[in-house]
Amino acid sequence: EPEVTQTPSHQVTQMGQEVILRCVPISNHLYFYWYRQILGQKVEFLVSFYNNEISEKSEIFDDQFSVERPDGSNFTLKIRSTKLEDSAMYFCASSELREGAFFGQGTRLTVV
Amino acid sequence: AQKITQTQPGMFVQEKEAVTLDCTYDTSDPSYGLFWYKQPSSGEMIFLIYQGSYDQQNATEGRYSLNFQKARKSANLVISASQLGDSAMYFCAMREGPYWISRIKAAGNKLTFGGGTRVLVKP
Repeated sequence: EPEVTQTPSHQVTQMGQEVILRCVPISNHLYFYWYRQILGQKVEFLVSFYNNEISEKSEIFDDQFSVERPDGSNFTLKIRSTKLEDSAMYFCASSELREGAFFGQGTRLTVV
Repeated sequence: AQKITQTQPGMFVQEKEAVTLDCTYDTSDPSYGLFWYKQPSSGEMIFLIYQGSYDQQNATEGRYSLNFQKARKSANLVISASQLGDSAMYFCAMREGPYWISRIKAAGNKLTFGGGTRVLVKP
């Protein structure tokens, strides 16, 4: 069964460093997303991506964040100058319209 | 106002019994979709079931069924014959806007999540 794959599963970084979270969406899906879940809290939408551009972003997704689809398969989230409050589980998801968005297993980011 | 409300922070259920997880939503859009996800302790988000606002019948997927009451704006998840492996966090989510417009406008596909309900199945 096709699945969304995220790497790494866990990343520890020092405050102020840049991190890149990587995702391989399901191959025939057209919409890609990043969500985050701070420990013990609800899942929050960050950004959606379609046709090689951002289609929607939340107020959380400020200039510190960027997304890219560098080739035909990968979808990345870059966080510049990480802060302690960026520590969270980051989920990549992809969807083909009516179906539910299928989520990857998540990357747990810990900023120290 | 909260768009998705899950009023049960946690609940216990006896193995083999059914459990109903509550979800109410708030939207002025006539077209929307409702989703349920399961998050086990390992952290991944597993898609369970989908209900479209214009779907005539309640959605079912194996042991999962969705009790959709449009007038009351509720979309409760029913898990029948609970198993120990059902112990997890369960999230209700909503997508506002019809999917066919989403294809054209490339927007409206984002999901808004509720706060979740933790289910613990007792043997």
